[in-house]
Amino acid sequence: EAGVAQSPRYKIIEKRQSVAFWCNPISGHATLYWYQQILGQGPKLLIQFQNNGVVDDSQLPKDRFSAERLKGVDSTLKIQPAKLEDSAVYLCASSPKGGNRPQHFGDGTRLSIL
Amino acid sequence: AQSVSQHNHHVILSEAASLELGCNYSYGGTVNLFWYVQYPGQHLQLLLKYFSGDPLVKGIKGFEAEFIKSKFSFNLRKPSVQWSDTAEYFCAVEEGGSYIPTFGRGTSLIVHP
Repeated sequence: EAGVAQSPRYKIIEKRQSVAFWCNPISGHATLYWYQQILGQGPKLLIQFQNNGVVDDSQLPKDRFSAERLKGVDSTLKIQPAKLEDSAVYLCASSPKGGNRPQHFGDGTRLSIL
Repeated sequence: AQSVSQHNHHVILSEAASLELGCNYSYGGTVNLFWYVQYPGQHLQLLLKYFSGDPLVKGIKGFEAEFIKSKFSFNLRKPSVQWSDTAEYFCAVEEGGSYIPTFGRGTSLIVHP
């Protein structure tokens, strides 16, 4: 089966600019996750979708970050405006709905803020 | 809030040595437990998981982990490591029914041939 697709792989922007990331989960996976992984740390969940509804976004900095999954399939994560501390790898993962559902991760987008 | 501690941040071993990586969590209720691995240049992938039943879980590539509820621990073990086990290892914990995972900061394992 095809894996979780993410683009772009790398992005370099200046602070205060905007950036968007795209994720296409594994076909049929109802649950989609966005994580932020800062160098030297584990992934931190930003937002979790079940189909096109938000399950949890308690750790999403909503003043600058937004995410959507309008048709319950692919998703975009946006940062506007970016800050230096947003430099990280942004990971997308998906899993089937229900029990025994390990997550399948994409390769991530490495974001560097200058 | 849930926290997950991985005590060893960097581990260096020679091939054939035994491995044990520690993972402790803070939540006192029902949990789902995972170990993920990230090989150099690759994405995170599941190594093994525990949802219920036998607390000794076997995963891919000869890895196993033991859930000890009284110690809030889920340590990863392998009796004899190989050079190809060089990777970053992450423990993750979900509070039962939440499907919201918390990851540890990871352990970098380097195995010398």
